[in-house]
Amino acid sequence: EAGVAQSPRYKIIEKRQSVAFWCNPISGHATLYWYQQILGQGPKLLIQFQNNGVVDDSQLPKDRFSAERLKGVDSTLKIQPAKLEDSAVYLCASSLDLGLLRTEAFFGQGTRLTVV
Amino acid sequence: KQEVTQIPAALSVPEGENLVLNCSFTDSAIYNLQWFRQDPGKGLTSLLLIQSSQREQTSGRLNASLDKSSGRSTLYIAASQPGDSATYLCAVLITDKLIFGTGTRLQVFP
Repeated sequence: EAGVAQSPRYKIIEKRQSVAFWCNPISGHATLYWYQQILGQGPKLLIQFQNNGVVDDSQLPKDRFSAERLKGVDSTLKIQPAKLEDSAVYLCASSLDLGLLRTEAFFGQGTRLTVV
Repeated sequence: KQEVTQIPAALSVPEGENLVLNCSFTDSAIYNLQWFRQDPGKGLTSLLLIQSSQREQTSGRLNASLDKSSGRSTLYIAASQPGDSATYLCAVLITDKLIFGTGTRLQVFP
């Protein structure tokens, strides 16, 4: 079974520029997560989708971050404009979730963003 | 607000030792708990998933236990090897949110 795919793997941009990350979850997985992981810290949830609807985006800085999941499959996360403190690894994860049964979450390799 | 804490933050041991990594959480109303491994510059690899109704799960040299009432989980690594060197993260699923601890950075030296 193919895993969670993310691209690009690395991105370096200047502050105030825009950047977009792409995630393709495991086929059939209803739940998709975007996490931000700053060096030395645990991942922090930015946004969670259930199919194509947003379940939680309470920690998403909505003045600069946006995310969408068209047709309940692929997802993109955008930052516009970027700040230095956005430098982090952005992780995408998906899980199957069958009714009340919460299943294992699988993660992609992440996108390492450096803002200079 | 659910908080997840992992102790110790870092651990360095000689090869062959048995290890215990700890994870504690403040809200016991969890759906499940998952242990992950993260190698430098890489994503997260799922190691073990324990549903809220379970007490433990085993995979090879790894054994994870869950005590919901006390808000604790432990990851036991038997006969550690240099290849086990990585950061180990626990995460709890609560009201559909997967919340992570800060991780334990493990180094196993030959």
